[in-house]
Amino acid sequence: GENVEQHPSTLSVQEGDSAVIKCTYSDSASNYFPWYKQELGKGPQLIIDIRSNVGEKKDQRIAVTLNKTAKHFSLHITETQPEDSAVYFCRMDSSYKLIFGSGTRLLVRP
Amino acid sequence: DAEITQSPRHKITETGRQVTLACHQTWNHNNMFWYRQDLGHGLRLIHYSYGVQDTNKGEVSDGYSVSRSNTEDLPLTLESAASSQTSVYFCASSESGGFAAFFGQGTRLTVV
Repeated sequence: GENVEQHPSTLSVQEGDSAVIKCTYSDSASNYFPWYKQELGKGPQLIIDIRSNVGEKKDQRIAVTLNKTAKHFSLHITETQPEDSAVYFCRMDSSYKLIFGSGTRLLVRP
Repeated sequence: DAEITQSPRHKITETGRQVTLACHQTWNHNNMFWYRQDLGHGLRLIHYSYGVQDTNKGEVSDGYSVSRSNTEDLPLTLESAASSQTSVYFCASSESGGFAAFFGQGTRLTVV
């Protein structure tokens, strides 16, 4: 059935290092791949997204890459800062249902 | 500015009671969704709606119901609250599949 697998479930990095989170999806018809950031006590917020006709998209320190052949997409955060500490979710759409990954808890150590 | 709001933010109820969580969006989105979030389970889809009078079951719909009488609102009802339904509930809306979704602030529900 429709599924998106997200790894790792937790990630701890030193401030200034890079962080990479990867999602693998099952529905080859998906063509929109967003990433969300959830801070404590808040709802998830969209931080970056990519469509299937593009292989990479960057927005300052964050980037998303897409490999449609392998059916995976990744979130890259460079020069991490303590305020990047949060839970990150990927998402794929299947028959207009929004299917989210299980989440990655990122901890940036000062 | 358009927004999506949930109420109440916190709710404590007793086992067996009927509870309704409200979700209201001013984006004029057709699609609305209810998720529950539990530690270790991410966001699990409860119910969703693609428009007025349309409702569909998600992966964890047992014990929950929704109704969509207008574009702006999708209330979630727990028919007979159970302790297993203690969770944080999020409502979301989107224009359509393949577009950004916007979330409410969440409702923390405790069933005692």
